Amino acid sequence: SQQGEEDPQALSIQEGENATMNCSYKTSINNLQWYRQNSGRGLVHLILIRSNEREKHSGRLRVTLDTSKKSSSLLITASRAADTASYFCATDAVDNNDMRFGAGTRLTVKP
Amino acid sequence: DAGVIQSPRHEVTEMGQEVTLRCKPISGHNSLFWYRQTMMRGLELLIYFNNNVPIDDSGMPEDRFSAKMPNASFSTLKIQPSEPRDSAVYFCASSFGSGGETQYFGPGTRLLVL
Repeated sequence: SQQGEEDPQALSIQEGENATMNCSYKTSINNLQWYRQNSGRGLVHLILIRSNEREKHSGRLRVTLDTSKKSSSLLITASRAADTASYFCATDAVDNNDMRFGAGTRLTVKP
Repeated sequence: DAGVIQSPRHEVTEMGQEVTLRCKPISGHNSLFWYRQTMMRGLELLIYFNNNVPIDDSGMPEDRFSAKMPNASFSTLKIQPSEPRDSAVYFCASSFGSGGETQYFGPGTRLLVL
């Protein structure tokens, strides 16, 4: 069963704008990860944030984690057409040995 | 590093036939995962191995599905007999450590059962 739920399901923006995607989950976690999937390809890991961290940066990516609200956000700044992809959050629950993926947010960046 | 290798990349078969999907994880990784992705159900974890031992197979849909990992460098996912509703993209992923660490995905096998 899925643990993370992404929101929105789909997002369309213009190149140069920022894109924000949210993820909510239900149980206590060890860490939360964001992955990207281009059409027809496997998922690629973007960033991992541990339960004792609140914010993490990697290039144009910024991830926040609020364990009290059981939610995370992924911000992509200065978006590019090449950022067009589906973005998934995955949670490593405390009472599980594996990760569970959400349904994903489909991001379209128009040139 | 070649990354996670899956074969075949595409498979078209008829209902009732046996299908075998193969995966070679990244060398040194000790966890291996099989996922299925469809438009309707999204990405589903089917089974997870750690040190070649199945840890969680609760996602395996039914007895028609079976997975093996005879050694650290090879795993198979078998569907017998296959049905049209098994049509999906099947991904293999590997990681080092427990199931909650960063996973590296293969390119997937696109299966179509007619």
